[in-house]
Amino acid sequence: SQELEQSPQSLIVQEGKNLTINCTSSKTLYGLYWYKQKYGEGLIFLMMLQKGGEEKSHEKITAKLDEKKQQSSLHITASQPSHAGIYLCGAEGTGFQKLVFGTGTRLLVSP
Amino acid sequence: EAGVAQSPRYKIIEKRQSVAFWCNPISGHATLYWYQQILGQGPKLLIQFQNNGVVDDSQLPKDRFSAERLKGVDSTLKIQPAKLEDSAVYLCASSSLPGVNTEAFFGQGTRLTVV
Repeated sequence: SQELEQSPQSLIVQEGKNLTINCTSSKTLYGLYWYKQKYGEGLIFLMMLQKGGEEKSHEKITAKLDEKKQQSSLHITASQPSHAGIYLCGAEGTGFQKLVFGTGTRLLVSP
Repeated sequence: EAGVAQSPRYKIIEKRQSVAFWCNPISGHATLYWYQQILGQGPKLLIQFQNNGVVDDSQLPKDRFSAERLKGVDSTLKIQPAKLEDSAVYLCASSSLPGVNTEAFFGQGTRLTVV
């Protein structure tokens, strides 16, 4: 079955610093989601990448998909306290187009 | 557009009791997912419905968990009897299509504590 490993598991950065979160798949990636989650709440959609080499940006968050490396990265520029939360990558798992998630990266942004 | 609705938001039960969670997906969404998220982990897919049919329940502990989606709209997830390790947030999500071709929308989740 598809496994998605995220790194780092947790991250503390100072406000204003840049950071990168990685998501590595054990299988070929045909598409990938990034979601953000506040503690104990549902997931908020950030962006969806569907093609190798695709790069998308929303406000200060940029995500890229590298099909050859079976990897995606999420980059936050000039982090703010509002960026704090759990970042989850999701991809299509083995089987009937099911959506599976990575282990999550917990981000804290210190003022 | 109304989002995915889940209830209750919180539930505390004793082990060996039963509990049920309810999910109302976005209108018109054919695909419905139930996930279990244990504290500190990513969501684990329990069951996926396409309309009112089950397309994947490979990770559903069928000796104690059951789920249904009557008429292909609302869905309920039941645990009977509950164990301590079932303490988690249960997330419901829906999408118009299965897989990664379409955004999945998530409810707020139900936080279950088994004592």
